[in-house]
Amino acid sequence: DTEVTQTPKHLVMGMTNKKSLKCEQHMGHRAMYWYKQKAKKPPELMFVYSYEKLSINESVPSRFSPECPNSSLLNLHLHALQPEDSALYLCASSQEMGAGGFFGPGTRLTVL
Amino acid sequence: GIQVEQSPPDLILQEGANSTLRCNFSDSVNNLQWFHQNPWGQLINLFYIPSGTKQNGRLSATTVATERYSLLYISSSQTTDSGVYFCAVERNSGGYQKVTFGTGTKLQVIP
Repeated sequence: DTEVTQTPKHLVMGMTNKKSLKCEQHMGHRAMYWYKQKAKKPPELMFVYSYEKLSINESVPSRFSPECPNSSLLNLHLHALQPEDSALYLCASSQEMGAGGFFGPGTRLTVL
Repeated sequence: GIQVEQSPPDLILQEGANSTLRCNFSDSVNNLQWFHQNPWGQLINLFYIPSGTKQNGRLSATTVATERYSLLYISSSQTTDSGVYFCAVERNSGGYQKVTFGTGTKLQVIP
């Protein structure tokens, strides 16, 4: 299994909703990442987990809350988002922290 | 922080043509990757190339780390090559390896 899966593919939520994005990999990678990508822009790093511990938080607002329940799973909990948070959210994994690695197909999030 | 610029920003090719995409970076890096993002948003890892030259089918890449640039060559382009090509560099920042994506090249291959 050499892929990263993400669910859901699309998500529409209101500003008062609570939702979660899910990412899974079974390649034995020990680093997992969340990126945010706005239209026509490159991906921007949000969080990095290394060996199930949060290693990097790129000054992301607290309305985004990451969680790594085990070495194969990565969640991103969303609460009280703003319309400007609408974007493609990409998950990635790599053997160790730092390598760009393998990307999932992304979740297209729309905040109304 | 490090600046990663790609050129050209946009490129239109006739099917069968060859092209060269460039990635310039402003500081030394530990590693460099090339990605293709298809029209549906999926990022595909093309090359992991901190230095030297690699080839994979119609694609090849060369990184000259001492001169801070990398090139991606696409030969005999096909319509399926359309999308955005990103380079991403990795360097030590504040005690960890940080990945920074370039500005991207949007490629359209027309029949």
